[in-house]
Amino acid sequence: SAVISQKPSRDICQRGTSLTIQCQVDSQVTMMFWYRQQPGQSLTLIATANQGSEATYESGFVIDKFPISRPNLTFSTLTVSNMSPEDSSIYLCSATQGAIQYFGAGTRLSVL
Amino acid sequence: GENVEQHPSTLSVQEGDSAVIKCTYSDSASNYFPWYKQELGKRPQLIIDIRSNVGEKKDQRIAVTLNKTAKHFSLHITETQPEDSAVYFCAPKTSYDKVIFGPGTSLSVIP
Repeated sequence: SAVISQKPSRDICQRGTSLTIQCQVDSQVTMMFWYRQQPGQSLTLIATANQGSEATYESGFVIDKFPISRPNLTFSTLTVSNMSPEDSSIYLCSATQGAIQYFGAGTRLSVL
Repeated sequence: GENVEQHPSTLSVQEGDSAVIKCTYSDSASNYFPWYKQELGKRPQLIIDIRSNVGEKKDQRIAVTLNKTAKHFSLHITETQPEDSAVYFCAPKTSYDKVIFGPGTSLSVIP
C-alpha cells in the first residue's frame, strides 16, 4: 500500500493570495491526482499530475488558477492562486499503486 | 463525458439488516470497479473492488456484483453495524485511466 502525507492539513487565507499544498508518497507511483471536495459533496477531479510534463486538467479547471508540479515519482504540489471565497474547500491528493487509489488526509482551505 | 450515478443517495437501515447501493456508469470500456468508504472528516478508503472479467466478489460482510452488459455494479453489505455508517462512493475507472467518483450514498445504520 501507499502512504500519502499532505500538508498543510488546514489553512485560513485572505482573498487574492495563493496557497501551495504539498503531497508526498512513501513509494514511487505512476499516477498522482488532485481532487476537490466541497462539504457533503463528492470528489471532483481537478487534474492528473504527470511526472516530467504538464498536468492534464479537467473541464472547468485551468493551469493559471491551479498550477501543479510533479518533479519526481513521489512528490507533487498544487497551488491555488488568487484565491476567492469560492475556493474554500477540501483539497485531496491521490496516487494509484496498481489499480488501487490511495488518498492523503486532505487540506481544508478557508478563504476570507 | 463520462457519467456516473448512484442510487439511492441516502439509505437508512436497522442494525443487522442488509444494504445495497447501485452504481451506473456510461463508459463501456471501463474495466475496474471499486467502492470507497468515507467516514466523516476522513479520507476515502477502498473497501472492495472488482475487475471486468469477474461477476461477483465477496469479502466477509461486503460483496460487489458487476453487470457489464447493463453497465452497473452494486455494493452489498450484510449484517450492517453502526460503524458501517458513512458515505460510499463508486469510482469506475474509465478507458483513459481516469477515475470519476459517483455522487455518493450516505448510509446510516440505526442501532
